[in-house]
Amino acid sequence: AQSVAQPEDQVNVAEGNPLTVKCTYSVSGNPYLFWYVQYPNRGLQFLLKYITGDNLVKGSYGFEAEFNKSQTSFHLKKPSALVSDSALYFCAVRGSNDYKLSFGAGTTVTVRA
Amino acid sequence: EAQVTQNPRYLITVTGKKLTVTCSQNMNHEYMSWYRQDPGLGLRQIYYSMNVEVTDKGDVPEGYKVSRKEKRNFPLILESPSPNQTSLYFCASQPGQGWMGTGELFFGEGSRLTVL
Repeated sequence: AQSVAQPEDQVNVAEGNPLTVKCTYSVSGNPYLFWYVQYPNRGLQFLLKYITGDNLVKGSYGFEAEFNKSQTSFHLKKPSALVSDSALYFCAVRGSNDYKLSFGAGTTVTVRA
Repeated sequence: EAQVTQNPRYLITVTGKKLTVTCSQNMNHEYMSWYRQDPGLGLRQIYYSMNVEVTDKGDVPEGYKVSRKEKRNFPLILESPSPNQTSLYFCASQPGQGWMGTGELFFGEGSRLTVL
């Protein structure tokens, strides 16, 4: 069975500081990995994905994520956080031969001015 | 504009009163799915559909029904709602048939359901 762990319920950073949201996964076969963001009272929005190729993927709003196969991790990063980055972030995974996308429990990011 | 549209966005109902949450997408996606979001549990899949007339259970299908008579529509039916179905529900669609596509899911804005 596939699964996703987001070990931190909350991440708090000051504006301008680096932001990291952690994600580890378990899946059979090659992983397809995704990050989504949810702003208050909104649906989930796609940020970025890793399918194959370069381990560092870049996405929307200045976010990037690094795929680490040996550590089965896919941490989300942003070099300089903005107050507007405050939201709920979800990591998700599915196997390359599977249809089902499994989500982590989510990490609430708060960026203080 | 490409979108997934859910209705209603907010609903308060009582135990046992049948209700339907509609979902429609205008992107010609084959794959559609319903999730419920509960605090601390993330998103859990209720049902999914690989294409018209093809549906299957997700992780938490009990108490729900779905149908896929048209490609664009994927309604979620609660025949006899109970308080434990109070939740935030999301419909999503994806190009390609499930694992055959590498695309991301497109989500609706969510439907907040309260069952008293």
